[in-house]
Parts: sequence; C-alpha cells; structure tokens
Amino acid sequence: KNQVEQSPQSLIILEGKNCTLQCNYTVSPFSNLRWYKQDTGRGPVSLTIMTFSENTKSNGRYTATLDADTKQSSLHITASQLSDSASYICVVSDRGSTLGRLYFGRGTQLTVWP
Amino acid sequence: EADIYQTPRYLVIGTGKKITLECSQTMGHDKMYWYQQDPGMELHLIHYSYGVNSTEKGDLSSESTVSRIRTEHFPLTLESARPSHTSQYLCASSPTETYEQYFGPGTRLTVT
Repeated sequence: KNQVEQSPQSLIILEGKNCTLQCNYTVSPFSNLRWYKQDTGRGPVSLTIMTFSENTKSNGRYTATLDADTKQSSLHITASQLSDSASYICVVSDRGSTLGRLYFGRGTQLTVWP
Repeated sequence: EADIYQTPRYLVIGTGKKITLECSQTMGHDKMYWYQQDPGMELHLIHYSYGVNSTEKGDLSSESTVSRIRTEHFPLTLESARPSHTSQYLCASSPTETYEQYFGPGTRLTVT
C-alpha cells in the first residue's frame, strides 16, 4: 500500500487561476517532505523541501505547507501559467535508515489551458 | 539545472538484447540512484550506491545490474531485455550532506 497519497489524480485549470494540490502520508518516522515538478518525458525537478519544524515554504509562485501532526501537505500554485502543466509529485523521506528512504506519490497531473 | 546526464534518451530494442543505460553526473555526489517509472505510477527505487564500489538493490526487484567504478558514472545493464522491462528509467544523485536528489532526464526504454 502506497504510504503517500495525492489528490486529485488530475486537474485542469485556466491560465491565471490558482490551484491547490494535496498530499497525505503515513510514513513514520518522518524526516522531510518534498514536492517535485515533472514535465512529460523529463526527470523530476525539486520545488520545495520541508523538514518537521517547517510548516510553509515558498518558491516563486509555488507555496508548500506541511502539517506534521495530521500528516498532510499541500502545494498551492498562484497565477498559473501554461508552463505549469506537468505532474507534481509528493515525496516523503523517513529516518529509518542512513539512506533516508523515499516514498513517492503517484503525482497530480496538472493541465493549464489558455 | 543539475548536471546529471542520461543516454540514450529513447531506446527501442528487441527481446533478448543486452543493453546498458548510461548515467553521469559532474557534481561529485557520492550517492546515486536508479528509479523505474511507469506512466501514471510512482517512482520505484531499483538500485542505489553510496560511493565507489558500493551498490545495493532497491525496493523493486529488478533483473538489471549496476556498477560504480567511478564517482561520476553509474551505468545500469540489462543482460537480456524482455517486454516487461519496457519503462522509463530515471537516474538521480545527491550529496552526502543534504536531502536533495537531482534527477536526470530519463531513458524511455521499449522492448519489442
């Protein structure tokens, strides 16, 4: 069973609109949570990384929030652009090994229409 | 953008062929990883390395093998490709002191 669940699975919005993507996880113990953007046919690119003590982090028009108590995170995209069309992947790392094992969500496929 | 490269980007081969997917990084990172990703699915770790001469199998069972003779190079080899190996293969690296992983552009493999 995947320990990182993302919703919605897919989302279509109009250019200029805002949107929020959700990530719920059951990974324990918790080390950090990352949001990646993956364009079609490309590798993921990091947007934000948050540790246990951080509850919000911004990267331009992207703002991630983390509630470690409820094990929920969100990624808010402001004033969407056509180039935001991509898959957004939530990744959670545990502290269970020196590797810091990563648990990947299946991603939310965002499409921005003009 | 991270300096991590994968070749080839796309590969179509017949069943039974031996192939090697190349991955190189110029950042001097000790840790390197190989992931497999099917469309609409999560990434699965198939191999990782802590440094030169260190290789470990990941969570997903894979018939592939890897080697780490040089810090910058982490090739993945399939001795006998099968249609079930059709997938996207992503290579990543990370420095020892941070959580960040940098991904390559991926190799899209199709086995006919």
